[in-house]
Amino acid sequence: AQRVTQPEKLLSVFKGAPVELKCNYSYSGSPELFWYVQYSRQRLQLLLRHISRESIKGFTADLNKGETSFHLKKPFAQEEDSAMYYCALGGNYGQNFVFGPGTRLSVLP
Amino acid sequence: ETGVTQTPRHLVMGMTNKKSLKCEQHLGHNAMYWYKQSAKKPLELMFVYNFKEQTENNSVPSRFSPECPNSSHLFLHLHTLQPEDSALYLCASSQDRDSGSEQYFGPGTRLTVT
Repeated sequence: AQRVTQPEKLLSVFKGAPVELKCNYSYSGSPELFWYVQYSRQRLQLLLRHISRESIKGFTADLNKGETSFHLKKPFAQEEDSAMYYCALGGNYGQNFVFGPGTRLSVLP
Repeated sequence: ETGVTQTPRHLVMGMTNKKSLKCEQHLGHNAMYWYKQSAKKPLELMFVYNFKEQTENNSVPSRFSPECPNSSHLFLHLHTLQPEDSALYLCASSQDRDSGSEQYFGPGTRLTVT
């Protein structure tokens, strides 16, 4: 069965510090991984997806199939990065789309 | 209004009531979704519709009944709910059911069952 874990419920870092939000998944097929973000009083929105290999707002994430991980990283955190971050897993067409429990990132001044 | 809209934004209902949640998307998407977000659980996918046809029902109790009259509208009919059904119900849409499609979310309906 598909499953996504995010071990940290809350992560606090100081402004300018590096940040890494962990995500691990279990899936027997070919995974599609995503990071969604929800800023305060805004709706849930896509941040980035592994297939695009892009950097959005300074964030990057690399899919590591050996470790079944898709950690989200940013070298220098900003206060506006404070939000709830969800890792999500999609599989082959027709498979369920599964979200992780989320990690609340708090960037302190 | 653009994007995905949901009404009402807040709903309080008794266990014997019947109510409906509405979702509308103005993005020309073909797939629509209902999710449940409660405080103690991850975001849970409830139903998926693709081209108005229900493609997934994740073992959702029958007191939740979805309806998709066209690709732009999605309803969630509620009846004889339980207090544990209190949660934020999110609607989303995507271009199609392809797992690589970005999902666009609505603001949600905060449901309280008394």
